[in-house]
Amino acid sequence: AQKVTQAQTEISVVEKEDVTLDCVYETRDTTYYLFWYKQPPSGELVFLIRRNSFDEQNEISGRYSWNFQKSTSSFNFTITASQVVDSAVYFCALSEGRRSQGNLIFGKGTKLSVKP
Amino acid sequence: GAGVSQSPSNKVTEKGKDVELRCDPISGHTALYWYRQSLGQGLEFLIYFQGNSAPDKSGLPSDRFSAERTGGSVSTLTIQRTQQEDSAVYLCASSLVGQVFEKLFFGSGTQLSVL
Repeated sequence: AQKVTQAQTEISVVEKEDVTLDCVYETRDTTYYLFWYKQPPSGELVFLIRRNSFDEQNEISGRYSWNFQKSTSSFNFTITASQVVDSAVYFCALSEGRRSQGNLIFGKGTKLSVKP
Repeated sequence: GAGVSQSPSNKVTEKGKDVELRCDPISGHTALYWYRQSLGQGLEFLIYFQGNSAPDKSGLPSDRFSAERTGGSVSTLTIQRTQQEDSAVYLCASSLVGQVFEKLFFGSGTQLSVL
């Protein structure tokens, strides 16, 4: 069973639309960390945010916001007023506290296309 | 260096040949990871290094795959007798000490094409 599920394979929106990327995770650990990474066409994954399992506060950073809900095991990512530069593949990832190393378990990614 | 550097950026090889992929992590980072990204498959973990040791090789798909790290810095991923299913982007990442809460810094990857 997948530990990180990103059900949306591809999303296409028009510039200035809001878009939400879904992420559902599965773990038995009480301590864990969730991440979002962006992979633009250049290929290099760029870190966006990290959340630990004890902090359910939503986070906003400019046009980006994240909604972490332990009750539904979800860590969704919303881009407000999308721009063409937001076009990329976005990955959600999980790091489990019981492990002794920081190996991230990634979802399969959501490809976002923002059209002008 | 300033970021994680991988070479070559592209590699085309014939089935059955051996290939070596190189990763130069961020200076001072003791933890190094190799991932493989195949079309539609997300990022698949291959191997983790802490210093020069590889405590977790659980993701290596077969004994044709091996990796080493020397001087706590540069790592080389070797694929012997390449097969067409090995075609993928191979990504390297590093982090400061390898703790579960650390973010990983990724290179731009090596696109491997096996003909």
